[in-house]
Amino acid sequence: AQSVTQPDIHITVSEGASLELRCNYSYGATPYLFWYVQSPGQGLQLLLKYFSGDTLVQGIKGFEAEFKRSQSSFNLRKPSVHWSDAAEYFCAVGVNTGTASKLTFGTGTRLQVTL
Amino acid sequence: GAGVSQTPSNKVTEKGKYVELRCDPISGHTALYWYRQSLGQGPEFLIYFQGTGAADDSGLPNDRFFAVRPEGSVSTLKIQRTERGDSAVYLCASSLLGLRTDTQYFGPGTRLTVL
Repeated sequence: AQSVTQPDIHITVSEGASLELRCNYSYGATPYLFWYVQSPGQGLQLLLKYFSGDTLVQGIKGFEAEFKRSQSSFNLRKPSVHWSDAAEYFCAVGVNTGTASKLTFGTGTRLQVTL
Repeated sequence: GAGVSQTPSNKVTEKGKYVELRCDPISGHTALYWYRQSLGQGPEFLIYFQGTGAADDSGLPNDRFFAVRPEGSVSTLKIQRTERGDSAVYLCASSLLGLRTDTQYFGPGTRLTVL
């Protein structure tokens, strides 16, 4: 069965520092991979997604992620974190259901940004 | 345009009662998904609609849970004989065509508390 592991439950970084959030997946077929962000009281917002092609994908808010098949990883990065980036981040793998994907999420990483 | 909306935002009920949670997807989106997010966890898939029909209900935990989408737009998630373990945030998402590459847009969720 498919699964997503986010090994870091909580990360704290200083504003302006770089960020990397780890994500490992397990899925038997070609993965469709997603990163979502969830702020308090807000719905999940898509940051970026990977289906095929270039393994380095760019997203919104200055985020990027790199797909590494050999490591079954899809880590999220940002070169300089802003205080407004404090939120919970979820990695997900899309599992085929008919023509669509149902998402299997990791347990999330809570990002705290210190000033 | 308007995003996915969910009502109510909060629902408190007593064990054994019946509840209905409503989702209004983005206008024109044919695919609709329900997920459940327990405290400290990532969202878990419940059911997916393509148009009026439930294309995949494999995530519904038991027969106390049921969802409908009679006109292919608004959906209602129905929970009978609620239990304390049903307490969670119920998230709805919609996507344009229900393709694997489509972005799923999430609503803010309904927080259900069963006393």
